[in-house]
Amino acid sequence: KAGVTQTPRYLIKTRGQQVTLSCSPISGHRSVSWYQQTPGQGLQFLFEYFSETQRNKGNFPGRFSGRQFSNSRSEMNVSTLELGDSALYLCASSLLGGSNTGELFFGEGSRLTVL
Amino acid sequence: LAKTTQPISMDSYEGQEVNITCSHNNIATNDYITWYQQFPSQGPRFIIQGYKTKVTNEVASLFIPADRKSSTLSLPRVSLSDTAVYYCLNQAGTALIFGKGTTLSVSS
Repeated sequence: KAGVTQTPRYLIKTRGQQVTLSCSPISGHRSVSWYQQTPGQGLQFLFEYFSETQRNKGNFPGRFSGRQFSNSRSEMNVSTLELGDSALYLCASSLLGGSNTGELFFGEGSRLTVL
Repeated sequence: LAKTTQPISMDSYEGQEVNITCSHNNIATNDYITWYQQFPSQGPRFIIQGYKTKVTNEVASLFIPADRKSSTLSLPRVSLSDTAVYYCLNQAGTALIFGKGTTLSVSS
């Protein structure tokens, strides 16, 4: 079956702009979580959505937001981009999410460069 | 703050068995021990998960002692394609906390 699909794979923005990234989870998976990966901070949890509700949130400013649609697809948005937002943004899907300790399936990520 | 401690890097040769040990600081009763593998510019990939004792799948074995304060990921007969970063985690849900990981370099 198809894996987690993230679009776009690469994008370049300038400071102050906003960006929207999309994630299509594995069919049947209802949980989508987002992670940011940078060389300095490593992999950091952003937030998780389940059945269109944000269930968990990491320690990121309000400029980072997300949503989930009824078909479980998810988008994340970063407003007022800063140079430090340059990163690989990863989406992961799982069957149940939340406190479930099952396997997370990661996409290949969206590489954002902020100039 | 990462809850696990693992070596920054390891080197190996093709065909050897590699064991990567992780310290699980303050692991909670509900936490499972999970290992992920990540190649450059790709998302992490699940390798194996366990709660205690030994777990084996088609790619690796995971050894967890009774006190669960450590775990050892064993990769039998590594190949060049096993060169990657390996993360150990205390997992209690989908909000994973990744540490720095162990960069494994396999040479021929």
